[in-house]
Amino acid sequence: DIQMTQSPATLSASVGDRVTITCRASQSISSWLAWYQQKPGKAPKLLIYKASNLKSGVPSRFSGSGSGTEFILTISSLQPDDFATYYCQQYNSYWTFGQGTKVEIK
Amino acid sequence: EVQLVESGGGLVQPGGSLRLSCVASGFTVISNYMNWVRQAPGKGLEWVSGIYSGGNTYYADSVKGRFTISRDNSKNTLSLQMNSLRVEDTAVYYCARAQSALDAFDMWGQGTMVTVSS
Repeated sequence: DIQMTQSPATLSASVGDRVTITCRASQSISSWLAWYQQKPGKAPKLLIYKASNLKSGVPSRFSGSGSGTEFILTISSLQPDDFATYYCQQYNSYWTFGQGTKVEIK
Repeated sequence: EVQLVESGGGLVQPGGSLRLSCVASGFTVISNYMNWVRQAPGKGLEWVSGIYSGGNTYYADSVKGRFTISRDNSKNTLSLQMNSLRVEDTAVYYCARAQSALDAFDMWGQGTMVTVSS
């Protein structure tokens, strides 16, 4: 089974900050990686697919990069609506999620 | 409107059974890769089970042999039959769509809560 490890688990940041979240796969997954945003009591929302492709309607301040085993989600300028928990997910072999990164207000 | 709506959650005793349903609107379940994902209280997301458009089914090791995924094409509905429930199965259960085996989950339902407790 492919394991996904995210870091950090929690991130404290201010509005306007540049934020990066890292996701590592236990083996190569090519570019079969997605990023989701989840707010309390809500279903996850797809932000990025195939490592770097922004889903239609998602603000351009979100971007993704990486391939193989290491991936990064970047929020270029954190907005109030972005305080949430973010999950990576591999879909190279079935589907596995990272443990999540909570972005909280500093 | 394109959406997924789950139902069937509730309180059940350990060892009991429950059946979850997910009704799809605006697309057909048979043409997509439909999945169940759960989230225990305060925890992360865990993929539980999936059914491919061809009918093949897949399960996480944690539920294999206890849960059964199925679909009713006439009702455009995905189901999850959960037997031999354990306390650790307590979670919000979401149905989610992938448009192929190599696709992310681009649509999610609102979730239904399952509580396993005596």
